[in-house]
Amino acid sequence: QSALTQPASVSGSPGQSITISCTGTSSDVGGHDYVSWYQQYPGKAPKLLIYDVSNRHSGISNRFSGSKSANTASLTISSLQAEDEADYFCSSYTTSSTLWAFGGGTRLTVL
Amino acid sequence: EVHLVESGGVVVQPGGSLRLSCTASGFTYGFTFGDYAMNWVRQVPGKGLEWVSLINWNGAGTHYADFVEGRFTISRDNSKDSLYLQMNSLRPEDTALYYCARGLYCGGDCYVRQPFDSWGQGTLVTVSS
Repeated sequence: QSALTQPASVSGSPGQSITISCTGTSSDVGGHDYVSWYQQYPGKAPKLLIYDVSNRHSGISNRFSGSKSANTASLTISSLQAEDEADYFCSSYTTSSTLWAFGGGTRLTVL
Repeated sequence: EVHLVESGGVVVQPGGSLRLSCTASGFTYGFTFGDYAMNWVRQVPGKGLEWVSLINWNGAGTHYADFVEGRFTISRDNSKDSLYLQMNSLRPEDTALYYCARGLYCGGDCYVRQPFDSWGQGTLVTVSS
């Protein structure tokens, strides 16, 4: 069982916006602003999209944005495109000796 | 563009040992492998990601997930642009694809809080009798 909770799947039509949530505790997501999001295509390595809650990594489209409220972080993808269909993972620095926790991942389907 | 290549993944029996390697290339703008903290992250195929271990730029700082329980040792050789993970007392639940991942550059003790900005393609470790 993953330390952070994400919905197993979300879907949206091209041009729409979707939001993926990532719920943790005050020991991780709610305790600081070191939350990141990764995109992973099947058979490929993860790719960093967002770090420190809302900073887009170099070269990442501004269609991707991040936010946080209390113990829940969110990734929003606007103007959905077919190429956005992938798995998305959140990650948070933690105050435990296991420095980083991940969510179980969310499969995005573009209808 | 940074290129990370993992190797060393094989089928090993429970209780066995294995050493994974990760070789880096393609650093630019005057930065070198030795400027970055490095991580190992694993993933059971079709499942989620799990952070395993982190080492700072010079090897003086190392960190492990609780499930490691003293069985793994992370190390690096900056003269060879290489990262390693020595894995002992392997268990079936250690079966996974192991990625090496570079920490986003921060230039100080903040390395523990940096996300993973470059990843290799992974090497598969299977622990089975």
